[in-house]
Amino acid sequence: ETGVTQTPRHLVMGMTNKKSLKCEQHLGHNAMYWYKQSAKKPLELMFVYNFKEQTENNSVPSRFSPECPNSSHLFLHLHTLQPEDSALYLCASSQTSGGADTQYFGPGTRLTVL
Amino acid sequence: GEDVEQSLFLSVREGDSSVINCTYTDSSSTYLYWYKQEPGAGLQLLTYIFSNMDMKQDQRLTVLLNKKDKHLSLRIADTQTGDSAIYFCAESPGNTDKLIFGTGTRLQVFP
Repeated sequence: ETGVTQTPRHLVMGMTNKKSLKCEQHLGHNAMYWYKQSAKKPLELMFVYNFKEQTENNSVPSRFSPECPNSSHLFLHLHTLQPEDSALYLCASSQTSGGADTQYFGPGTRLTVL
Repeated sequence: GEDVEQSLFLSVREGDSSVINCTYTDSSSTYLYWYKQEPGAGLQLLTYIFSNMDMKQDQRLTVLLNKKDKHLSLRIADTQTGDSAIYFCAESPGNTDKLIFGTGTRLQVFP
């Protein structure tokens, strides 16, 4: 498989559930990102990892917990979410996180919180 | 501050040219990008332009950059129904991790 993959593609969860989103990149990149895309709002950066180290947390609530075990994998652990957290969650990767490197996006996970 | 603005909708007839416009605020942006999002899919990088260029052409796509006015445009020649999607402009301010996206322009192509 090539590029950036995300699983699951769709997820419905209750507010008391715990679930995880998974992202994997097959591009040999060292930086990975989580974005949130809500209807009619600009894409929001959530987290940045560079060489497995978190370099940015964009004031994301603690009910979202990222994990980057290696440069190829990125997880977003979810617990006690709110209905307003329903959105498309996009993962991206780039060679490094220095800003000059193009980011490549996965297809996203469509999350619905009931 | 960082802000990227785009018009929300554009409707064109098949075969015509489409022009999607974007304005950005951060003059330190090194690269500016155009992404395409088809229904149910993630973002697909279409093209990008380095800030010291004023034009870049790639097959049916032409990107124009007016750095003085902080204005970026994407022209799609001979627009096809398969071009119907949301197009996002994004800037990469300075030497940061961030990509700042606009709200996206929904392009609808009708026969």
